[in-house]
Amino acid sequence: DQQVKQNSPSLSVQEGRISILNCDYTNSMFDYFLWYKKYPAEGPTFLISISSIKDKNEDGRFTVFLNKSAKHLSLHIVPSQPGDSAVYFCAASATNNDMRFGAGTRLTVKP
Amino acid sequence: EAGVAQSPRYKIIEKRQSVAFWCNPISGHATLYWYQQILGQGPKLLIQFQNNGVVDDSQLPKDRFSAERLKGVDSTLKIQPAKLEDSAVYLCASSFYRGELQETQYFGPGTRLLVL
Repeated sequence: DQQVKQNSPSLSVQEGRISILNCDYTNSMFDYFLWYKKYPAEGPTFLISISSIKDKNEDGRFTVFLNKSAKHLSLHIVPSQPGDSAVYFCAASATNNDMRFGAGTRLTVKP
Repeated sequence: EAGVAQSPRYKIIEKRQSVAFWCNPISGHATLYWYQQILGQGPKLLIQFQNNGVVDDSQLPKDRFSAERLKGVDSTLKIQPAKLEDSAVYLCASSFYRGELQETQYFGPGTRLLVL
């Protein structure tokens, strides 16, 4: 049961431009959403999160938007840098902290 | 602050053999998680501990997988016997329990298992 979906397996952007990574979910009980970044041979690293009571959370170059009615969230990276090249996982959890992950989107930022 | 430690980093075994993975969470983190990440997929939760008690093991294949966290600190995950489909990265994560419902999980580097 794929409750969290990242439909784009890969994304390529030019350095300095905006990267937009998308995520959809099906379980209306999810109320906490996270983005993790993963480099090769490393574990996922927490990037940014958002609670369902908000529709936007910003941290430096990273902004997460949540559209509860559409069950959709997105991660914006502005401006994109080559060091942002990694696999980005969207994750969602309900009150029991059972976190579900998407399959990931591989972002490549070209110099 | 030291992160989540895992060992070994890599393991190659033949099917039907046994294997064990070790995890040491971030100091003070009461909650510990084991995930399985198959190539091309996101991590899937296998088991969640709160101190040394199991909170959720609904997705753990209990006929071959077992896990323990005896002293509420480090944990081991065992597979016995291994199957080809167990080839994956096994990730350990921990979080600081403050009684809140959502806590950010911090991941270790993972153990990459290949079953031949």
